[in-house]
Amino acid sequence: AQKVTQAQTEISVVEKEDVTLDCVYETRDTTYYLFWYKQPPSGELVFLIRRNSFDEQNEISGRYSWNFQKSTSSFNFTITASQVVDSAVYFCAQGDAGNMLTFGGGTRLMVKP
Amino acid sequence: DAGVTQSPTHLIKTRGQQVTLRCSPKSGHDTVSWYQQALGQGPQFIFQYYEEEERQRGNFPDRFSGHQFPNYSSELNVNALLLGDSALYLCASSLQGGRDTQYFGPGTRLTVL
Repeated sequence: AQKVTQAQTEISVVEKEDVTLDCVYETRDTTYYLFWYKQPPSGELVFLIRRNSFDEQNEISGRYSWNFQKSTSSFNFTITASQVVDSAVYFCAQGDAGNMLTFGGGTRLMVKP
Repeated sequence: DAGVTQSPTHLIKTRGQQVTLRCSPKSGHDTVSWYQQALGQGPQFIFQYYEEEERQRGNFPDRFSGHQFPNYSSELNVNALLLGDSALYLCASSLQGGRDTQYFGPGTRLTVL
């Protein structure tokens, strides 16, 4: 069975601070997929990134960056110079071969002006 | 390019009633997955439809059933509603029988009284 843990339930930062959201996963599969989604107050899950288990290359997209480490089963997400518009609930998820997604409990990020 | 759409937006039912939720996938997508998100929790996988068949199912009772139509749209049916079925129901669409990234709709908020 797969399990995704997001230990930080809520994080509060002041605008322009950097913030890292942690994600730890458990799986026995050798092929799997990792995702981050953003859920603003409107409720719709917005796709941010997908990573395959065989690709540990870190990725940067603007202010967002992701650090995938198979050795520690972690897939952490960093927002640089946070903005108020980044305030949302962020979910880490793992997909199996059939891409059934298992989500973590989410981290609520509040960015104060 | 239209994204994933869901209807209705909100729904109020009483215990014991039956409900049908609808989802139209993103243009070009052939797979639909349904998730239940209780308040304050991460989404939980209900089932996935591809080629008009249920391909994977999560840990949900038979009261939850679905259907996929030839145009790839899908319905989620819940019978004998319980108070605990109150949640945000999210539909996601993807390509390639689900192995591709899942894109989510805005959800249907179901309240059971």
